[in-house]
Amino acid sequence: SQKIEQNSEALNIQEGKTATLTCNYTNYSPAYLQWYRQDPGRGPVFLLLIRENEKEKRKERLKVTFDTTLKQSLFHITASQPADSATYLCGTGGFKTIFGAGTRLFVKA
Amino acid sequence: SAVISQKPSRDICQRGTSLTIQCQVDSQVTMMFWYRQQPGQSLTLIATANQGSEATYESGFVIDKFPISRPNLTFSTLTVSNMSPEDSSIYLCSASGTSGLNEQFFGPGTRLTVL
Repeated sequence: SQKIEQNSEALNIQEGKTATLTCNYTNYSPAYLQWYRQDPGRGPVFLLLIRENEKEKRKERLKVTFDTTLKQSLFHITASQPADSATYLCGTGGFKTIFGAGTRLFVKA
Repeated sequence: SAVISQKPSRDICQRGTSLTIQCQVDSQVTMMFWYRQQPGQSLTLIATANQGSEATYESGFVIDKFPISRPNLTFSTLTVSNMSPEDSSIYLCSASGTSGLNEQFFGPGTRLTVL
C-alpha cells in the first residue's frame, strides 16, 4: 500500500539555524508532493507544492526538494524563528491526499 | 484560496448518540473531504464528499457509521452515528480545486469526545 513516512521524532533547533524535515514515500510515484503546517488545535495550512519534474521550489524562507530517485522530499526552513514551531505534514498529490504523520519542530530562542 | 468553517467546534456526547458536523466553504469548490485525526497523529481520510451523489468511503469507513451529505458545491455534513468512546477524535473538513493544483484548505476541526 502507499506509504508516506516522516520522522516521528521531534526536531529541536536553535533560532537562526536551518531546519530540515524529511518525507519518504513508498509503493507510489506521486505527480507532486505537498507540505502543510499544523498548529495545535487548528487544521493544516497549505505551504508548498512541488511537482515531480521540479527539483526545488522556494517561497520566502521555505525550500522544498523532490528527489524521485530517492523517493524523498526535503523541507527546509532557513533562518528559523520560534514562530516556526509547529507540526509539518507531507502529503501526496493527486485526487486525494495521503498524509504522513508529521514532524514536530521546536525552534528555541 | 478558500475559507472553511465548521460547526460545532467541539462537543461532548454520550455513547450511542449521533452528532452531525457541518462544513461551509466561502466559495464553490470541486472536492470536499472529511478526515479524522487522533491527538498527535496524522490525518486519516474518511471519505470524499461528492456533490449530488453518494460519498466515496475509504477502507475501514462505512456509510452507516459516517453518513455524509453534500447538497451543493459549498456545503457538506458528516454524521458520526451510534458513537462509542473510540470515535473520540478531531474531525476535519477540507476542500480543494480552487486553483486546479489540488492543494487543500482545511477547516478548524471539530473536537469530539464520547463518554
